[in-house]
Amino acid sequence: SSELTQDPAVSVALGQTVRITCQGDSLRSYYASWYQQKPGQAPVLVIYGKNNRPSGIPDRFSGSGSGNTASLTITGAQAEDEADYYCNSRDSSGGGYVFGTGTEVTVL
Amino acid sequence: EVQLVQSGAEVKKPGESLKISCKGSGYTFTSYWIAWVRQMPGKGLEWMGIIYPGDSEARYSPSFLGQVSISADKSISTAYLQWSSLKASDTAMYYCARLEDTEHDYWGQGTLVTVSS
Repeated sequence: SSELTQDPAVSVALGQTVRITCQGDSLRSYYASWYQQKPGQAPVLVIYGKNNRPSGIPDRFSGSGSGNTASLTITGAQAEDEADYYCNSRDSSGGGYVFGTGTEVTVL
Repeated sequence: EVQLVQSGAEVKKPGESLKISCKGSGYTFTSYWIAWVRQMPGKGLEWMGIIYPGDSEARYSPSFLGQVSISADKSISTAYLQWSSLKASDTAMYYCARLEDTEHDYWGQGTLVTVSS
């Protein structure tokens, strides 16, 4: 099965920009989607496809990708953005999916 | 409004069987895949498998193949995750999620499964 690797933790000052990356071979063929999970809550989809946001997700969240790397950028991070973030993509076989290892984002 | 409502928390003993559920509403249940996701205590999300309620086709992550069974009853818009013999290592929160194209757009609230002697 495929693997998607993320940095375990990043921090960002309030109002600054942070980029979270996700690396894996399957990303050369498939887009990543991104999920925000706050403690005690179910994950929430924040970015999907080339760079699409579901209704209700602030436009400070954006996505991009190149080669085997997908990125989620939070431009002007807010206190409420402090959470764990996971990427997800189809696996290399295309039949299933795989989550990234997750990144804990701290807003200072 | 799309909703996925999961069954309540379970406490089981090792070796027991269990079936948890995920009921969809607010959309055509038979037209979207439903995924199951595991989150062990303090750990990340793990994708387990999916089922298409329209024809009950199921696909499993290699890590979970043979460990669990995924099924659906389209007559009551409900997907299931089942174990025949639980282990302590199955203790986790389990989420169901709807798959729209390639993204998991709606999630259930989670079902906590605790396996302890």
